[in-house]
Amino acid sequence: AQSVTQLGSHVSVSEGALVLLRCNYSSSVPPYLFWYVQYPNQGLQLLLKYTSAATLVKGINGFEAEFKKSETSFHLTKPSAHMSDAAEYFCAVSESGSFQKLVFGTGTRLLVSP
Amino acid sequence: GAVVSQHPSWVICKSGTSVKIECRSLDFQATTMFWYRQFPKQSLMLMATSNEGSKATYEQGVEKDKFLINHASLTLSTLTVTSAHPEDSSFYICSANPRDFFSYEQYFGPGTRLTVT
Repeated sequence: AQSVTQLGSHVSVSEGALVLLRCNYSSSVPPYLFWYVQYPNQGLQLLLKYTSAATLVKGINGFEAEFKKSETSFHLTKPSAHMSDAAEYFCAVSESGSFQKLVFGTGTRLLVSP
Repeated sequence: GAVVSQHPSWVICKSGTSVKIECRSLDFQATTMFWYRQFPKQSLMLMATSNEGSKATYEQGVEKDKFLINHASLTLSTLTVTSAHPEDSSFYICSANPRDFFSYEQYFGPGTRLTVT
C-alpha cells in the first residue's frame, strides 16, 4: 500500500526566500506523484505531477519538484517565495496502473512573512 | 478547462435530517468521481469512489448506508448524508477523473462545508 509522509506541519519563510516542502513516499510499484495547493475554504489545485517521465517536474506559479527514486522523495521547491504562496500544500501518491486512487500526506502549511 | 463544481458551497442542517451535495464536471466527462472528507487542519481522507452507472466503492470504515453516493451520469455525482449528526460536520470535497486513458489527474471541486446543529 502506498503512503506519503510530509515532514513539518508548518514551514515559515520570508518573502523572497527559498521554499522547500518535503515529501517522502512509499509504494510497492512505480508511483505517480502529485503536489496540490489548498487555499482556505477552497478545493485543491494541482501544482505539478510526476508520471514517470522527466524526474524534474516544473509546475505552475514557479514551483518545481524532483523525483528521487533512491531517496523515495518528491520535494517541492520554489526559488523565491511570494506572499500569495501562503497556503496548505499536500503531496499525494497513486499507483501506476491504478492511477486514480490518491493517498494524501498530512499537509504542510506554508507561512510567508514580509 | 477541467472545472468541477460543488453545490452547495456550505450548508447548515439540523441533526437527524439528510443533506445532498452535488458534484459536477462542467467541461468534461468523468468516468470516475471521488468523495473526500477533510477535518479542520487535517488531510483529505478518501470516502468512496464512484463510477458512472455502478455502485460506489467505499473505503474501510465509511458507512455506505449513511453516505449515499449516486453517480447518475458522466458529469454528476451526488453525496447524501443521511440522518446527519454533529460529528458529520466537515468539509466534503469531490474530484473527478476525465474519461481519458492518458489523464492521470483528478480535478477537485471547491468543497462543501457541512455543519450539523
